[in-house]
Amino acid sequence: SYELTQPPSVSVSPGQTARITCSGDALPKQYAYWYQQKPGQAPVLVIYKDSERPSGIPERFSGSSSGTTVTLTISGVQAEDEADYYCQSADSSGTDVVFGGGTKLTVL
Amino acid sequence: EVQLVESGGGLVQPGGSLRLSCAASGFTFSSYWMHWVRQAPGKGLVWVSRINSDGSSTSYADSVKGRFTISRDNAKNTLYLQMNSLRAEDTAVYYCARGADSSGYYCYFDYWGQGTLVTVSS
Repeated sequence: SYELTQPPSVSVSPGQTARITCSGDALPKQYAYWYQQKPGQAPVLVIYKDSERPSGIPERFSGSSSGTTVTLTISGVQAEDEADYYCQSADSSGTDVVFGGGTKLTVL
Repeated sequence: EVQLVESGGGLVQPGGSLRLSCAASGFTFSSYWMHWVRQAPGKGLVWVSRINSDGSSTSYADSVKGRFTISRDNAKNTLYLQMNSLRAEDTAVYYCARGADSSGYYCYFDYWGQGTLVTVSS
C-alpha cells in the first residue's frame, strides 16, 4: 500500500523557520494537503493543492513541491504553532487516500 | 457556519456493532462528498471511508472493507457509519469530514467534526 513519509519531530525556536517534509512516490502526480492538529482538537486544513492557503490561515504558512517531496514551511514560528502536522495525498490512481505519519512541531 | 457533530461512539465488545452519526449544518449537505477519518489513541490520522454527494458511490480502506458501511440521508443532513465485527484495533476517535472539492476529484477535507470515541474491549 502507498505510504507518505514524514519526520517524527521538528524543533525550532520562536521566530525561526520550520520546514516539515513529506515524501511519496506519487507526489509528482497527486496534490498534497497539510493539516495542523493541536492536542484534543480536530485537524485544521492549512495548505491545499501543494501551496494554496485557505482563508483564515496566517501567511506564515506556505507549501511547496519538488519531485517526490512536498514541504510545509512556517516562517516566523510562534508558540501557538506547536502542534502535530500531517500531510495527505492519494496514490497514483487517485483511489486510496493516505496520510503521512505526522510530525510533532516543538517550539523551544 | 459549517458544523459537523458526531455521535454514537462508546464501549463495545469485540465482534459487536455500532452506528456512528454525523449531523451537518451550515452548508448544502447534499452537494458535498463526505468522509470518515479515524485516529487511534496517540497515533496518526487514517482515512476510513467516503461517500459521494447523492450516496450512489462509496469506497473504503482495506482495513474496514466488508465490515463497515458508510451511508447518508440528505433529507436529514446526516452521515452514518455502520461498524460491524469490531476489533480491538478499531479503537479510535472517529471524525467525519467534509470533502473540500464538491466534484470529488480532489480528495481533501476542509471541515472536521470534533470526533466520537469508539472503544472496542471486553
